[in-house]
Amino acid sequence: GQQVMQIPQYQHVQEGEDFTTYCNSSTTLSNIQWYKQRPGGHPVFLIQLVKSGEVKKQKRLTFQFGEAKKNSSLHITATQTTDVGTYFCAGTAGKSTFGDGTTLTVKP
Amino acid sequence: GAVVSQHPSRVICKSGTSVKIECRSLDFQATTMFWYRQFPKQSLMLMATSNEGSKATYEQGVEKDKFLINHASLTLSTLTVTSAHPEDSSFYICSARDTPAVPQYFGPGTRLTVT
Repeated sequence: GQQVMQIPQYQHVQEGEDFTTYCNSSTTLSNIQWYKQRPGGHPVFLIQLVKSGEVKKQKRLTFQFGEAKKNSSLHITATQTTDVGTYFCAGTAGKSTFGDGTTLTVKP
Repeated sequence: GAVVSQHPSRVICKSGTSVKIECRSLDFQATTMFWYRQFPKQSLMLMATSNEGSKATYEQGVEKDKFLINHASLTLSTLTVTSAHPEDSSFYICSARDTPAVPQYFGPGTRLTVT
């Protein structure tokens, strides 16, 4: 079945450093979504990418969808303490499959 | 954005009893609702997918007779954990969407503790 791998599992950065999480699918995706889950909270939708090679930005967050529509990345520039949480990708190929998430901690 | 509510937020029950969790889409019609289970520091595990008016589709390894799902309207789905046991203690989260082309919107989750 469809598998979505997400790396790294954990990332600890100093405030101000950049952060990137990567998502790879075993199958070609129709779209990919990114979610953020704060500690103790529920996943909150961030963005959806649909087109091959698509790049979208939300302030300090940059999302990319690979040309082959099998991988994606989320990059945060100059992390802040408010960025802490677990970032999940969810790839859709018929049904949506979530990656295992990358948990980001930021040291002030 | 779209809002999904979930009730209750926390529930403690005794072993052997049943617990019902409600998931509601407040400002959109949820043609499809999903039920997930999440263990501490782990990813979301999809339990089942329900389409309004149809029987739920359960993922492999999920007991449909234990986790009863009803999606009787476009705004409400319920998950009933029957004869709950301590190993059923977990964080249960629902999500909903209107069409496959749009993202899922998650409810705030229900923390179930079975004593």
